[in-house]
This record gives sequence, structure tokens and C-alpha cells, in this order.
Amino acid sequence: GAGVSQSPSNKVTEKGKDVELRCDPISGHTALYWYRQSLGQGLEFLIYFQGNSAPDKSGLPSDRFSAERTGGSVSTLTIQRTQQEDSAVYLCASSPRQGPYEQYFGPGTRLTVT
Amino acid sequence: GESVGLHLPTLSVQEGDNSIINCAYSNSASDYFIWYKQESGKGPQFIIDIRSNMDKRQGQRVTVLLNKTVKHLSLQIAATQPGDSAVYFCAEFPGAQKLVFGQGTRLTINP
Repeated sequence: GAGVSQSPSNKVTEKGKDVELRCDPISGHTALYWYRQSLGQGLEFLIYFQGNSAPDKSGLPSDRFSAERTGGSVSTLTIQRTQQEDSAVYLCASSPRQGPYEQYFGPGTRLTVT
Repeated sequence: GESVGLHLPTLSVQEGDNSIINCAYSNSASDYFIWYKQESGKGPQFIIDIRSNMDKRQGQRVTVLLNKTVKHLSLQIAATQPGDSAVYFCAEFPGAQKLVFGQGTRLTINP
């Protein structure tokens, strides 16, 4: 079946602009996660959703970052007033349920802030 | 604090040899662990997982060993192939509904 998809695959934006990153999880997966991966680094947790609610937003780096999920499916990560340090690969993952289970990752969106 | 780290940032092995990638974790409450493989330009791909009530689990050409006494995790890849070249991440689940990832080990296969 279809895996996790993300769009766009690449995004170049000017400092100060807002960007929206989209994630389509695997159908039926109730848990959805956003991570950030800087060049040559591991994955940094940002936020997770169970259904449409986000019980844990502790990983969001600043109030410029926000995320929402609608219909228990698609999620959007929004970064306002982008800064150069926001440049990274943003990865989305989904899981059949919350908790200690395998997370299936999408290909990521590479964000470059110039 | 929570952290998952890898003993070696890079590992080079000969094609056909076995590879062992190590990982140390710090949270004794972690009850679930995963190994992911990430090829250039792609998202992490699940390899194998293990729960804390086990000390060994085998998959196709891969084995994960868990030593809870010293909080150590390893991934063994048998008869490595060129397609095994990638960055390998371990991740632990210490609760709070999220995985904590290590920094990764780059595995290079020499012909």
C-alpha cells in the first residue's frame, strides 16, 4: 500500500517568509509525528498527534512553529518568519497507534532558508 | 537527561563480512528500541525492533541484541552487501509517546 508522503520534497524560501509543509500519513494510522533532521545529525522530535489533537508540543523550537492535523489524516507544519537556522529536513512519520510501536517515515521535505 | 548515542560515527567493512553497529542508551525506563536505516535523500527505513522483555531478535540478515544491564543495543548485519551502505540510527522509547534517536553511524561497504 501507499506509504507516508510529504510535500514539497524541496522548498527554498527567503528569510522572513512563512512556509507550510504537508504530510499524508498511511491510511488508518492514528498517530502522526514530526521530526527535524539537521545536516549530518539525528532526528529531533517536534510534535506528535493522536487523532487531531497534539498532546505533546514540547519539541517545537519556538512559537514560530505550529502544526495541525485535520480529519485524523493530513497534517501541516507551519513555520512563520523563517530563519536560516530553520534549514533542515523535516520528516513526518505515522504509526497505527500511539505508544511504543514502529513509526513509518516519509521521504522528508528539505527546507532551505536563504 | 534522555540520550541515545552511538559508539562509532563511521564504520567501514569489507563486502561479505559481518557488521556490528553499537548503541548506548541512558534511560533505564525505555521499553522499546528500533533500528532504522537511512539512505541519502530518503527517510529512515525500519530494520528491526526489540522490546525490553527480550535480549535478542533476528530478522533477515539482521540481529538486534539488547543488554539492559549495561544499557547497550547492537545491530548485527550478516554478509554485508553494497546496498547496506547507509546511516544507521538506533532509537529508544522512554515513554512520553516519542522516540529518542541517536546521532547515527555511517556504514560503508568496501568492495
